[in-house]
Formats: sequence, structure tokens, C-alpha cells
Amino acid sequence: ILNVEQSPQSLHVQEGDSTNFTCSFPSSNFYALHWYRWETAKSPEALFVMTLNGDEKKKGRISATLNTKEGYSYLYIKGSQPEDSATYLCASNTGKLIFGQGTTLQVKP
Amino acid sequence: DGGITQSPKYLFRKEGQNVTLSCEQNLNHDAMYWYRQDPGQGLRLIYYSQIVNDFQKGDIAEGYSVSREKKESFPLTVTSAQKNPTAFYLCASSLGSVGELFFGEGSRLTVL
Repeated sequence: ILNVEQSPQSLHVQEGDSTNFTCSFPSSNFYALHWYRWETAKSPEALFVMTLNGDEKKKGRISATLNTKEGYSYLYIKGSQPEDSATYLCASNTGKLIFGQGTTLQVKP
Repeated sequence: DGGITQSPKYLFRKEGQNVTLSCEQNLNHDAMYWYRQDPGQGLRLIYYSQIVNDFQKGDIAEGYSVSREKKESFPLTVTSAQKNPTAFYLCASSLGSVGELFFGEGSRLTVL
């Protein structure tokens, strides 16, 4: 994998549903994997920065896992709320930070 | 409050004109970055700087120039050589080269 790829591109869920997104990245020359949340009319904000294979991080209802050997990371949101609606970006640091296209989440009340 | 300030927020430019976007940070961060976003695409790296007086080209540096004369400042000049400059530009900084990015609010450039 030469680029950072995210799936799905967009997601619509009902309030209370749990959801997850995937980020695939080049596994060579890996330094760190970042997740950001970008709400409309705001700046992107960091959720997690992960560096070690097998890392799991959690912030409230959001958690992320990292597999550096196979080059993927999952972001999970448990019990989605309307305020979780945003674009979620992942970025791989291989000396410079390269972003995926993002997953746009819409949570309907 | 500490943070990153980008200006202007909106900018209109005629074809053939150079324009400079300002990015200032008071976070004492060493590294600074410029990204561009186009509709339906992710953030693409234009230039980055890990230390004062040094910077590197990103993936789409053609038609852009930067300077890093002070730690706090990383201005981006969009030159007339940039063929499709209309876009949303984001500046960011980080404490080190691996740390999380802190972003400005962005500058939207429209070429008329």
C-alpha cells in the first residue's frame, strides 16, 4: 500500500448504534498513526497518536487499535451520538504525515 | 490562549497574482506544516518545516513557496505558477516530528 486509505468514505447511523472505520497505511518506515476528528466549521482535533504494534487507546466512547505489521488501524465509536457527526481522518507518519481521505459520519437522532 | 492563527480566512485573487497566507503559532512548536484540501479529497501536504531556516517539499509543492525565518511563523506563498490554486489551506504545527498536529482554522483561497 503506497497511500493511506480509509473506508468507508461515508457512514450514516442511528443514535445509539456502534460503528467502526478502517485505516490502511504503508507498513514500511512507520513512525506513528494519527486519528483526527474534523467537525464542520472547526479545525481538525487529534483523537489518538499510536506508535506501537498492538496499541489500543480509548477516549470516552471512542477507541482505536493499531496493527503495524499488516498496516491497519480501526477506530470504534460505541453508542454513537449526534455530536459524533464529523469527518474522521487518519494519517500515517513515515517521516512526513500523510492523510487518508477521511470517513464522514452522520449520526441521526 | 496558545494556538495557531491563520490569516486571512477568505481571500480572492486574480489569475496571475501571487498571494501569501499567514500562519503564526505561539505553542513553541518546532515543526510546522501546510496542507491543501480539495472537495472529495484528503489533506495533501504542500510543505513542512521541522526547524527554523529549514523546510522540505511535500507531495504537491509545485507552484508554492515557503519560508521559516522565525519559529512562530511559516507563511505560504501561492504563486502564479500554481495551476489550480482555488482550495482550502490548513496550517498545522507539532511539538516534534511524530507528535499530534494542532491546526489553524484554515484559509479559503478563490482565484477569480
